[in-house]
Amino acid sequence: SAVISQKPSRDICQRGTSLTIQCQVDSQVTMMFWYRQQPGQSLTLIATANQGSEATYESGFVIDKFPISRPNLTFSTLTVSNMSPEDSSIYLCSVNRGSTDTQYFGPGTRLTVL
Amino acid sequence: SQKIEQNSEALNIQEGKTATLTCNYTNYSPAYLQWYRQDPGRGPVFLLLIRENEKEKRKERLKVTFDTTLKQSLFHITASQPADSATYLCALDKSGGGADGLTFGKGTHLIIQP
Repeated sequence: SAVISQKPSRDICQRGTSLTIQCQVDSQVTMMFWYRQQPGQSLTLIATANQGSEATYESGFVIDKFPISRPNLTFSTLTVSNMSPEDSSIYLCSVNRGSTDTQYFGPGTRLTVL
Repeated sequence: SQKIEQNSEALNIQEGKTATLTCNYTNYSPAYLQWYRQDPGRGPVFLLLIRENEKEKRKERLKVTFDTTLKQSLFHITASQPADSATYLCALDKSGGGADGLTFGKGTHLIIQP
């Protein structure tokens, strides 16, 4: 397994502002993933972040809205830019182990946009 | 498009009985299927993975079946306990193998009543 921490655990933000979420892993991993879980919905993959390369975004998510950094093998950030109330959600980072894509999740960041 | 459906939004089971949760999928040929548990305010926790060539997998009181013809997985909790109350998520690998993220169902909220 992996120990994953996220900061902040929650935040309330004003529309039009941006928030950067940090994800720290206790060991080096090749790939880190960012998911969103909107109220009453399932987890949706936003992007995959590899160290040393551009993040790969899923359909419906763009870099301008969700820029991602991956400066080293234990850390990543996700920024939610120019926020609107529709961005209110839980944002989770995760890492996988082995080739089977078993995911280990952080505790999540609960974002509320007013 | 790929779609994952999980039965009902809430399932009430009496303590001691077997809880059975269903996961159906369409437009998909996964190499494996995974089940996760999610408690309120926390990230999902991996429970079991079953591969396409496996019919059944067990772990303590948990049992998972995988029918690739029916495109269905069943998740059983035997001798259920109130501590088993949580949301259970079914997840498929996005691309038929390889580590590039998961597609999740919306989850079934399981309530075990004492």
